Amino acid sequence: GENVEQHPSTLSVQEGDSAVIKCTYSDSASNYFPWYKQELGKGPQLIIDIRSNVGEKKDQRIAVTLNKTAKHFSLHITETQPEDSAVYFCANYFLSGSARQLTFGSGTQLTVLP
Amino acid sequence: KAGVTQTPRYLIKTRGQQVTLSCSPISGHRSVSWYQQTPGQGLQFLFEYFSETQRNKGNFPGRFSGRQFSNSRSEMNVSTLELGDSALYLCASSWEVGTQYFGPGTRLLVL
Repeated sequence: GENVEQHPSTLSVQEGDSAVIKCTYSDSASNYFPWYKQELGKGPQLIIDIRSNVGEKKDQRIAVTLNKTAKHFSLHITETQPEDSAVYFCANYFLSGSARQLTFGSGTQLTVLP
Repeated sequence: KAGVTQTPRYLIKTRGQQVTLSCSPISGHRSVSWYQQTPGQGLQFLFEYFSETQRNKGNFPGRFSGRQFSNSRSEMNVSTLELGDSALYLCASSWEVGTQYFGPGTRLLVL
């Protein structure tokens, strides 16, 4: 079945530094790639997404890049702050029968050290 | 707009019992998906409902079932609970196909 590999599983950075999380996927038909942030005791919150017709998208300190040829996409957080500490999940859509199914990576625990 | 709501937030059951969880999607959203989240398996897709019909199903046993009502609210049911069913159950809604917005989840503990 479809698999999304996410690395690293844990990431610690100093406040103000940048953080990068990478995901690879196998289904070349995937065309939608969201990133979610999950804080303790809460459900995942969509922070940014990208569709396959663009290579990069930015929203303030957060950016996502997509390389369809290599089948990988990355989340970039600049000027990290303590409130960025959370678990981050990448995801993509792949076809399951006649419907599309959202598949998640295993998550990255990001810790921003003050 | 109000977000996705899930009830109850916490639940304790014993093995062999059954449980029903409820999800109210964002107003106007017609698709509701359910996920199981555990430390060992991560986020796993259970099923998706759209306009009262199950549109997609993950790889879970038949003890897991769901339904959707005409107002798009959805319920999922787990029968004959097992210890391994302890998890955070998340519901997500979307307009049709695309961006999914998650609720806070229902934490189920099976003793």
